Amino acid sequence: DSGVTQTPKHLITATGQRVTLRCSPRSGDLSVYWYQQSLDQGLQFLIQYYNGEERAKGNILERFSAQQFPDLHSELNLSSLELGDSALYFCASSVSSGGADTQYFGPGTRLTVL
Amino acid sequence: AQKVTQAQTEISVVEKEDVTLDCVYETRDTTYYLFWYKQPPSGELVFLIRRNSFDEQNEISGRYSWNFQKSTSSFNFTITASQVVDSAVYFCALRRGTGRRALTFGSGTRLQVQP
Repeated sequence: DSGVTQTPKHLITATGQRVTLRCSPRSGDLSVYWYQQSLDQGLQFLIQYYNGEERAKGNILERFSAQQFPDLHSELNLSSLELGDSALYFCASSVSSGGADTQYFGPGTRLTVL
Repeated sequence: AQKVTQAQTEISVVEKEDVTLDCVYETRDTTYYLFWYKQPPSGELVFLIRRNSFDEQNEISGRYSWNFQKSTSSFNFTITASQVVDSAVYFCALRRGTGRRALTFGSGTRLQVQP
């Protein structure tokens, strides 16, 4: 158990809908990262927050957004869902945003868009 | 740009065999970090090891060992006396020492250990 929690574990929804994925980092970790794992794209970085502020953006679609709250939990919002958004979404956390930090991953949320 | 290549898509071995998973990386940074993660069938990503670019010492942890060679830009992972529980997808990843800290992952190697 990495100490990172993600809810829900599974999510099934329809095209055009909006969903929210939630992540609680390990105790003491200030950085939260979101990654998407799909069959065709592999594991891709979406976005990073550090202590409530956006720190870096990767291949995140405009339909997707995220935020980190004062209690350091983070939410990833996915809207106008398409079939291609079906994937495993991981949250990871680390103590700071330094390169030496290890990112510990949550169990993931499996999103299925029908 | 950074890139991680895991050329072996799938490897199948019989229990107790040794197996090496290859990882080749590309980066222009002088300071960087290399990682290995394990993704068992249950789906979570489990951290195995972190290495920085200035430490080329090989590391051994139980049946696991890692060989980091800057001269060939490789960070290979060997499992000795493999077990069925080692069956998983293994990812090699690279992270910059400065600038954006996101992980760049390879495409993964699926290891199947047969009893």
